[in-house]
Amino acid sequence: GAVVSQHPSWVICKSGTSVKIECRSLDFQATTMFWYRQFPKQSLMLMATSNEGSKATYEQGVEKDKFLINHASLTLSTLTVTSAHPEDSSFYICSARGGGGVTEAFFGQGTRLTVV
Amino acid sequence: QKEVEQNSGPLSVPEGAIASLNCTYSDRGSQSFFWYRQYSGKSPELIMSIYSNGDKEDGRFTAQLNKASQYVSLLIRDSQPSDSATYLCALINTGTASKLTFGTGTRLQVTL
Repeated sequence: GAVVSQHPSWVICKSGTSVKIECRSLDFQATTMFWYRQFPKQSLMLMATSNEGSKATYEQGVEKDKFLINHASLTLSTLTVTSAHPEDSSFYICSARGGGGVTEAFFGQGTRLTVV
Repeated sequence: QKEVEQNSGPLSVPEGAIASLNCTYSDRGSQSFFWYRQYSGKSPELIMSIYSNGDKEDGRFTAQLNKASQYVSLLIRDSQPSDSATYLCALINTGTASKLTFGTGTRLQVTL
C-alpha cells in the first residue's frame, strides 16, 4: 500500500501552547487528507477533511479556530492544535487518499498528544 | 440505527481456526467497503477493499460483500496470535464527499 508519514509520533506540550502535526504522502499525491482523533478504547472520530489548495471542511462540533488545518501541497497537510488544553490530549491520526477515482485511504502512524 | 455496525467483541478464536468478522450498514447506496486492522496504540492499517458483490481473497484474508443484504464480512484463515487486533469496517457513503465512515470495530483475540 501507499505510505503516509506522520510526525511527530508523540509530543508533550504545556497547556496554552500550540502544537503542529505534519502528515506527508511519500509515494503518491494526496488530493484529500483526513484528520481523526481517537480517545482510548473509542473509535476514530473524523475531525476534518481537506483538499489540496482549499479550506478544510470541519465536522460538526470541531472548532476550526482551535484545530487549524493546512493542505498546501499534494503531499503535505498539517494540523495545528492551538492553545492546547489537557482535554485535547488524544491520539491524532491523518489519512490520505490519491486522486483519479482512487477510494482507498492510507493512514499515518498517528501522533499521541499529551497536554500537561 | 448506526451507519456501520459491528459487534465489539471480543471474538476469541483458537490459533489455526477461521475468524469471521461481520459488519452491516444502513446506506444502500454505499459503493466502497474496506477492512482495517488496528493494533492497540497504533493507527489503522488497510487490509482489504471490496467494491463488488461476492468474495475477494488476499492471502489468508477473504472479504465478502452482499449489497442486497447490506453486509460485509472478513474471514481470516489459519488465525495467528499476531492477528489479535481490532478490525474496523469502513465504507464510503454516497453524498458524503468521499468520507470514510467507520464502525466501532471488533476486537479479535487469537488464543494459543
